[in-house]
Amino acid sequence: GQNIDQPTEMTATEGAIVQINCTYQTSGFNGLFWYQQHAGEAPTFLSYNVLDGLEEKGRFSSFLSRSKGYSYLLLKELQMKDSASYLCAVRRRANSNSGYALNFGKGTSLLVTP
Amino acid sequence: EAQVTQNPRYLITVTGKKLTVTCSQNMNHEYMSWYRQDPGLGLRQIYYSMNVEVTDKGDVPEGYKVSRKEKRNFPLILESPSPNQTSLYFCASSPGQGGETQYFGPGTRLLVL
Repeated sequence: GQNIDQPTEMTATEGAIVQINCTYQTSGFNGLFWYQQHAGEAPTFLSYNVLDGLEEKGRFSSFLSRSKGYSYLLLKELQMKDSASYLCAVRRRANSNSGYALNFGKGTSLLVTP
Repeated sequence: EAQVTQNPRYLITVTGKKLTVTCSQNMNHEYMSWYRQDPGLGLRQIYYSMNVEVTDKGDVPEGYKVSRKEKRNFPLILESPSPNQTSLYFCASSPGQGGETQYFGPGTRLLVL
């Protein structure tokens, strides 16, 4: 089966750096995504890693280690508007005749305080 | 404007009364998917489709049906809704067949009495 773990809640201070970890166990791994979801809204795409290493996009960076089944999302220069839920999602090849299924973690609720 | 639309946005229904939630995207995307989101359980994939007439089950397909007769539309059908299908439903689409960079619809909040 598939298992994706991420912390339930985190709190950080405006202007600081926070790292949200995600560990996964899955067969047919084919990429890891991070999404942001503000309360009452739909998720929005943040980043995508399919190879090992760090992907940087402005204040947000995402890292992947496939051998360790581990990823993290790094948020720098935190702003109040970064308070949201952050969802880790793993894409996997479901079977040889099908496409790609996605499994999401339960999300990490980040609270940014003044 | 590029978007994914869902209708209805809110629905209250009774057990056993068939319903359809529509999903449409105007971005010519290949991949479309349905999710439900429940407190403490996160987003769970119900069904996905990598192209017209190609659909497959996600993690929680029981009690749901889908069809993909046209590229832009991917309706979710509940033939006989039950209270445990009360949830927030999201439709999403992405450009390739692999589900990258998914664009989510605004969500449909369903209550089954």
